[in-house]
Amino acid sequence: DTGVSQNPRHKITKRGQNVTFRCDPISEHNRLYWYRQTLGQGPEFLTYFQNEAQLEKSRLLSDRFSAERPKGSFSTLEIQRTEQGDSAMYLCASSFLDRGDYGYTFGSGTRLTVV
Amino acid sequence: GQQVMQIPQYQHVQEGEDFTTYCNSSTTLSNIQWYKQRPGGHPVFLIQLVKSGEVKKQKRLTFQFGEAKKNSSLHITATQTTDVGTYFCANREYGQNFVFGPGTRLSVLP
Repeated sequence: DTGVSQNPRHKITKRGQNVTFRCDPISEHNRLYWYRQTLGQGPEFLTYFQNEAQLEKSRLLSDRFSAERPKGSFSTLEIQRTEQGDSAMYLCASSFLDRGDYGYTFGSGTRLTVV
Repeated sequence: GQQVMQIPQYQHVQEGEDFTTYCNSSTTLSNIQWYKQRPGGHPVFLIQLVKSGEVKKQKRLTFQFGEAKKNSSLHITATQTTDVGTYFCANREYGQNFVFGPGTRLSVLP
């Protein structure tokens, strides 16, 4: 499978707990993005990496969110002290620099439920 | 950032009817991408439009970028049940990320 892989597919956690999600992008893609999507809404940008550098982060993103891409390959998104409002689908996408005609390739997402 | 609006929010059509969704902005758009998300699925890239007045076709789908680059449209001819899903337009904001519109949800009745 050469698509974008996300783990886990589902995560249920209690409010106040920390959670971490993983994204494995398409291997030749050097850009990786995290988006969040709630029911009935479009994906909302969170952050993106070019190789291992985090180049952009949404101004709306709480300090409880942090993302890493240590070796320019897979990425992790951590949410600390989860709140019920964090419940959403977390989507990872990757793309290749200068190949905009191919758009983003999204993974299947991690659905987070905070109870 | 630049917000894009999409109309209609929902559209129900009979199979075989045509369908059009519009993506509008009050400011000039840099470039527009269109995505389709099936129920329970993830967004799938369809097309990118860059040039003013650009028109691209993919089988029954026709994509258009307005002359003033403030709007875009997606038209589906003779809808099929496989066209069911939510169609999003996305605009490249400053930097490299794309801002997605709220989407148009299409239902096709057989």
